[in-house]
Amino acid sequence: GAGVSQTPSNKVTEKGKYVELRCDPISGHTALYWYRQSLGQGPEFLIYFQGTGAADDSGLPNDRFFAVRPEGSVSTLKIQRTERGDSAVYLCASSLLGETEAFFGQGTRLTVV
Amino acid sequence: AQSVTQLDSQVPVFEEAPVELRCNYSSSVSVYLFWYVQYPNQGLQLLLKYLSGSTLVKGINGFEAEFNKSQTSFHLRKPSVHISDTAEYFCAVSESNFGNEKLTFGTGTRLTIIP
Repeated sequence: GAGVSQTPSNKVTEKGKYVELRCDPISGHTALYWYRQSLGQGPEFLIYFQGTGAADDSGLPNDRFFAVRPEGSVSTLKIQRTERGDSAVYLCASSLLGETEAFFGQGTRLTVV
Repeated sequence: AQSVTQLDSQVPVFEEAPVELRCNYSSSVSVYLFWYVQYPNQGLQLLLKYLSGSTLVKGINGFEAEFNKSQTSFHLRKPSVHISDTAEYFCAVSESNFGNEKLTFGTGTRLTIIP
């Protein structure tokens, strides 16, 4: 596709369960970012990939959160032992190396019940 | 560390009236500045950005913003709004550091256009 694709668009899970959120960046974009947007807030940075490696994971809130990008394209954000406070919209963005414009997906709305 | 403040959480404006959405930032290093728009049920879309050079930048849909270094501001303006401008607007900043363009966002301003 032409844009950043995120799946699923909505995910409802029970407290304590494990979830995976997927991001397909724009083809050829080497930089990939994950953000989290809680209700009434702006997006907050979680992690940044340059190629396959996590160049900056300073925004991950705790060790329940982990992200991978094994082939330098698709990325998966993984959340273990989900808590109600993890409920938010998780946004993915991608960009070309050195470019300042990041293109955002529509997000995955995660609800932990 | 950098931060962004959007003082107005909601701004109602009559159609065809002008609008200004305020943004102030704080950073100890040089920054790039951005405005993103989020229409209902859509992803974030870049409106405009300031990297360097002229302090007045023009974006899509008739929006413009002015970078004021002394006041650490980057206010967004439009001379005449339309119903279709109803959306959430986010100001964001990144360090002007090649290689990691992670963004710090403000809390957003919801612009509502009144017919």
